Amino acid sequence: AQTVTQSQPEMSVQEAETVTLSCTYDTSENNYYLFWYKQPPSRQMILVIRQEAYKQQNATENRFSVNFQKAAKSFSLKISDSQLGDTAMYFCAFTTFPTGNQFYFGTGTSLTVIP
Amino acid sequence: DAGVTQSPTHLIKTRGQQVTLRCSPKSGHDTVSWYQQALGQGPQFIFQYYEEEERQRGNFPDRFSGHQFPNYSSELNVNALLLGDSALYLCASSRGETGELFFGEGSRLTVL
Repeated sequence: AQTVTQSQPEMSVQEAETVTLSCTYDTSENNYYLFWYKQPPSRQMILVIRQEAYKQQNATENRFSVNFQKAAKSFSLKISDSQLGDTAMYFCAFTTFPTGNQFYFGTGTSLTVIP
Repeated sequence: DAGVTQSPTHLIKTRGQQVTLRCSPKSGHDTVSWYQQALGQGPQFIFQYYEEEERQRGNFPDRFSGHQFPNYSSELNVNALLLGDSALYLCASSRGETGELFFGEGSRLTVL
């Protein structure tokens, strides 16, 4: 079974501080992509960062970085220098490659950045 | 460059009715996927359309059906609505095997 688990339903962080969101997943496939999506209160999901499973180097996008542990099937998101605009639901997801068409999402973590 | 657009944004139906939701993909995208997001949950895959054919389907009953048109736009139809169908329906488009989905803002369906 393909599953994604986000064990932190809610988190908060002070503005300018660093926060880490956890995600574990389960798949028997060897090739897949991992993603973090952000869903602000306006609802549109936006891609934050993605990681190809065959790449050992952790992906980074400005203030966002991941800690990808393939053996442990762990994919955490670190947000540095948190900003008020980072307040949103964050979803961890993956899709298998090259045959995958379906994305599997976790239940999300609601992040609040406190001024 | 227009992103993914969905209509309507909100709608209210009663049990037993039928609903059609519409989606226009991002320019240059040829694949459309539909997801159901219940309150407080992550999106659940309904199905994906490519070249006007349903390419893959999630664990949803036959009451959920879809269509893709030659211009790549898509419709999601739900028949015999149940209270449990109340959710945010998200359309996402993609191109080839880029491994990235672009989402619309969704259609919020309330079934009374």
